[in-house]
Amino acid sequence: NAGVTQTPKFQVLKTGQSMTLQCAQDMNHEYMSWYRQDPGMGLRLIHYSVGAGITDQGEVPNGYNVSRSTTEDFPLRLLSAAPSQTSVYFCASTDRAAYEQYFGPGTRLTVT
Amino acid sequence: RKEVEQDPGPFNVPEGATVAFNCTYSNSASQSFFWYRQDCRKEPKLLMSVYSSGNEDGRFTAQLNRASQYISLLIRDSKLSDSATYLCVVNLNSWGKLQFGAGTQVVVTP
Repeated sequence: NAGVTQTPKFQVLKTGQSMTLQCAQDMNHEYMSWYRQDPGMGLRLIHYSVGAGITDQGEVPNGYNVSRSTTEDFPLRLLSAAPSQTSVYFCASTDRAAYEQYFGPGTRLTVT
Repeated sequence: RKEVEQDPGPFNVPEGATVAFNCTYSNSASQSFFWYRQDCRKEPKLLMSVYSSGNEDGRFTAQLNRASQYISLLIRDSKLSDSATYLCVVNLNSWGKLQFGAGTQVVVTP
């Protein structure tokens, strides 16, 4: 049971670089989302998707782009990395009936 | 003011004891409530949903108080393995409106 997978697990970027965080799920969930977690602030929603081809912004979308070309994949792109984007990023997919969120193992990103 | 607030703790609990903590939410239109557990440097995992009538799952009991806008989690007969951060999650039943608290840390000691 793969569930939700994320790559890479760790990443160090220099300011201004771009990169894509990968997320995939094998549970056929329509709903997927990206969060960032910072100390003392809880998880904050970046972007979410209610199905292939449909995405929307969450609470903190600036500096990030997403796309959803398939049900399985929901990549998060950092356009021009900034130190303020140093965080732990979690991807989640959701059982719509129960609103239960299944999280990936996270990507720990440091921007220098 | 944060929409979901939790006491960060830590709550230091002797093994076998009972611990309880609350989470307050600001939006009275909130519809669904959950407790998630997060171990150090790991992803959050659903512990239990919180129903209006209150619900129990083994040693864990969750309560909802809509009038005062808080949910609670009680852990009985604490085990060392219960040491974790417990996240309160409130859902307005709109996918952009899932709100996470910052978490309450519980440390169970031998």
